Amino acid sequence: DVKVTQSSRYLVKRTGEKVFLECVQDMDHENMFWYRQDPGLGLRLIYFSYDVKMKEKGDIPEGYSVSREKKERFSLILESASTNQTSMYLCASVGAGANVLTFGAGSRLTVL
Amino acid sequence: DQQVKQNSPSLSVQEGRISILNCDYTNSMFDYFLWYKKYPAEGPTFLISISSIKDKNEDGRFTVFLNKSAKHLSLHIVPSQPGDSAVYFCAASPNFGNEKLTFGTGTRLTIIP
Repeated sequence: DVKVTQSSRYLVKRTGEKVFLECVQDMDHENMFWYRQDPGLGLRLIYFSYDVKMKEKGDIPEGYSVSREKKERFSLILESASTNQTSMYLCASVGAGANVLTFGAGSRLTVL
Repeated sequence: DQQVKQNSPSLSVQEGRISILNCDYTNSMFDYFLWYKKYPAEGPTFLISISSIKDKNEDGRFTVFLNKSAKHLSLHIVPSQPGDSAVYFCAASPNFGNEKLTFGTGTRLTIIP
């Protein structure tokens, strides 16, 4: 069974802290994505990556960065967390030329 | 600017009846559409998709209809079951094979036993 694993399910951080959200997929997928889900706003794309060491901005990249050093791992970094980054973060992956994303279970981040 | 909209944030339907979830889009470049279902504390899971060359696609209790001229799609679930209670997201892509999806705002469906 294919899997996207987000290691941290729940995090509570303070304003100004650096936050790492990790995502690992075991499907040898080329493409990986970070979305955030907020009530009334749906899923919004933060960053995505088509290949190792490649990254592209999504619709709301401000305040975030990403790292993809290995094909299976895609990390989302909040350099200095702010309260408006309190959200559910969802990682997803898909093979090249496909549309059906496989999502992880999500990481709920609260910034105080 | 929300390119994919689900105007009903919530919907309640009696068990056994039909559930109809609607989705509108503004970008005429969108050519491939998907529906995802999300339970609390889980990631979204793929439900059904449709290409713009079709106006209907069926999979068991789930049917998606596409009206390209109206830039509108809908998901029909019949008969509705309690396990269908979830948040449903529609998503759109410029073409099949384009991995970057634009998601809607979601509709929370509650099936009343």
